[in-house]
Amino acid sequence: EGQMVESGGGFVQPGGSLRLSCAASGITFTSFWMTWVRQAPGKGLEWVANIKSDGSGTYYGDSAKGRFTISRDNAKNSVYLQMNSLRAEDTAVYYCARVRLDYSKGYYYMDVWGRGTTVTVSS
Amino acid sequence: QTVVTQEPSFSVSPGGTVTLTCGLSSGSVSTSFYPSWYQQTPGQAPRTLIYSTNTRSSGVPDRFSGSILGNKAALTITGAHLDDESDYYCVLYLGTGMGVFGGGTKLTVL
Repeated sequence: EGQMVESGGGFVQPGGSLRLSCAASGITFTSFWMTWVRQAPGKGLEWVANIKSDGSGTYYGDSAKGRFTISRDNAKNSVYLQMNSLRAEDTAVYYCARVRLDYSKGYYYMDVWGRGTTVTVSS
Repeated sequence: QTVVTQEPSFSVSPGGTVTLTCGLSSGSVSTSFYPSWYQQTPGQAPRTLIYSTNTRSSGVPDRFSGSILGNKAALTITGAHLDDESDYYCVLYLGTGMGVFGGGTKLTVL
């Protein structure tokens, strides 16, 4: 069965940077968009960023614009999230997921999720 | 800024039926927003329940169903089980690569 495994989380001071990685195995990766979703402690899920299957397009939620960069390496079946200028409110569990998007068939959803990696921003 | 709205909490008795909704701060939800629904228990990753408004994901029991009710997307649980007690999130595709989560509904089964 396919899976996604996130890594790279940890403890960082405000203003610092962190790069998250997500490796896919046992699933088709290169044909699909990928997404990062986060969940602050005791809060709901929040969409962070999407990237097209070939990396030609990236999209960001308001909280990520200008500070975070999503990228991918299809040769390594991996997606990344570079996070700069981190703030306390970025403290969260970060999940990666595979996105199924088809305009002709009419769907957009996440079908394979990782277990998440925890980012803590604190002085 | 478009906000996706959900009831913060809901309660249902075991065996009962409950409908959770997913709306927009401005405008109506239609199938064109490709509504999807996710279940999450504490400490776990989300689980995909419904996509494309009313298509159940693989392995999801048929007591879960999706629809459009009025101007909102809806998730109905018919014959609730104790282990349906979870947080439920909807996602709407707003176009231009953006898929936005609702605030989530905490469902209590008691």
